[in-house]
Amino acid sequence: QVQLVESGGGVVQPGGSLRLSCAASGFTFSGYAMHWVRQTPGKGLEWLATISYDGKDKDYADSVRDRFTISRDNSKNTVYLQMNTLRQEDSALYYCTKDAGHQGYSDYWGQGTTITVSA
Amino acid sequence: DIQMTQSPSTLPASVGDRITITCRASQSIKSWLAWYQQRPGKAPKLLIYRASSLESGVPSRFSGSASGAEFTLTISSLQPDDFATYYCQQYSDYPYTFGQGTKLEIK
Repeated sequence: QVQLVESGGGVVQPGGSLRLSCAASGFTFSGYAMHWVRQTPGKGLEWLATISYDGKDKDYADSVRDRFTISRDNSKNTVYLQMNTLRQEDSALYYCTKDAGHQGYSDYWGQGTTITVSA
Repeated sequence: DIQMTQSPSTLPASVGDRITITCRASQSIKSWLAWYQQRPGKAPKLLIYRASSLESGVPSRFSGSASGAEFTLTISSLQPDDFATYYCQQYSDYPYTFGQGTKLEIK
């Protein structure tokens, strides 16, 4: 069965950095685009970034472009989100999701990892 | 960016009711719309994709439809497990955007 397990969340000071990881299993990871989505009580669900199956194409929300970088290692079945210059408004629950297959919507979601940006 | 306006934000209902949730796109997204269900403390779960296609394993009481830029999620007969929050998402263009959610509450 498909499993997505996020890790790397925690508490970080404003301006700091974190790298999230998402370990995937139960499907042919190298065949699917992957997404990162975050959720806050105030802003709801927010799509952040997408990476194509081969890592060549990436897209970002304006709110994180130039600060966050999505990447993947198909040999490790893992997708990453490098987060730099973190702000208080980046505090959220971060989900890794599997694309349904060159579609754009997510057919599987991880359980999420929480990031708190606070001094 | 494409704005997704979801209504209502809260919907009181009872077991057995037929309910409808609406999502309106600020511009054409054709049928590139998905619906998700989120139970408290859990990740969202895909219900419907391409506006009206039922995801495998999802009960047939869930259905989706589209009319122009207006999309509808219908639950034909509410079950206790259905009381959750529902979100629409457009995946026509980047940035992908979600509706603000509809919380289905027990009346």
